[in-house]
Amino acid sequence: AQKVTQAQTEISVVEKEDVTLDCVYETRDTTYYLFWYKQPPSGELVFLIRRNSFDEQNEISGRYSWNFQKSTSSFNFTITASQVVDSAVYFCALSEPGNTPLVFGKGTRLSVIA
Amino acid sequence: EPEVTQTPSHQVTQMGQEVILRCVPISNHLYFYWYRQILGQKVEFLVSFYNNEISEKSEIFDDQFSVERPDGSNFTLKIRSTKLEDSAMYFCASSVGANTGELFFGEGSRLTVL
Repeated sequence: AQKVTQAQTEISVVEKEDVTLDCVYETRDTTYYLFWYKQPPSGELVFLIRRNSFDEQNEISGRYSWNFQKSTSSFNFTITASQVVDSAVYFCALSEPGNTPLVFGKGTRLSVIA
Repeated sequence: EPEVTQTPSHQVTQMGQEVILRCVPISNHLYFYWYRQILGQKVEFLVSFYNNEISEKSEIFDDQFSVERPDGSNFTLKIRSTKLEDSAMYFCASSVGANTGELFFGEGSRLTVL
């Protein structure tokens, strides 16, 4: 069965600090997809990244970077030089091939204080 | 940029009443989904829909729920007789392909059952 664990419920940082959000997943499939979504206070879900299980290359997009480690079943998300606008709940999610539903973690609430 | 739109953004209803939540998926997308998020909790899969029929549903999606694509654009979720525990944010999503590649979520419809 699939499972996504985000052990950090809430994180609070001061603006300009770097912060890493942890995500650990479980799946029996060798092919799967990992995702991060951002949910700002307004409530919508904003897609950030998708990673497939065959691509372990780390990715950087501006201040965001993702570290995918199959050996530890982790897909961690780092925000560099955090800003107040980064304050949101961040969800990690997993899906398997085919039209299978996304399984979400419980989310990590990030508060960036000015 | 194309987007998934949902109406209403917020609905308040009395317990036992029927509610219909509406979604307009992105026009060239073929797969449609409803997810639910009870306040402060994780996002949970309800149902997926393809080719005018349900392709998968979760345990949450019991007989009081139904989905329909009444015309070429709308995708609706009906809750027949609402209960207090149905109070949640309901997210519609759509995707081009079956591999849950990149789900585009709407902004959500907040349902409050009194």
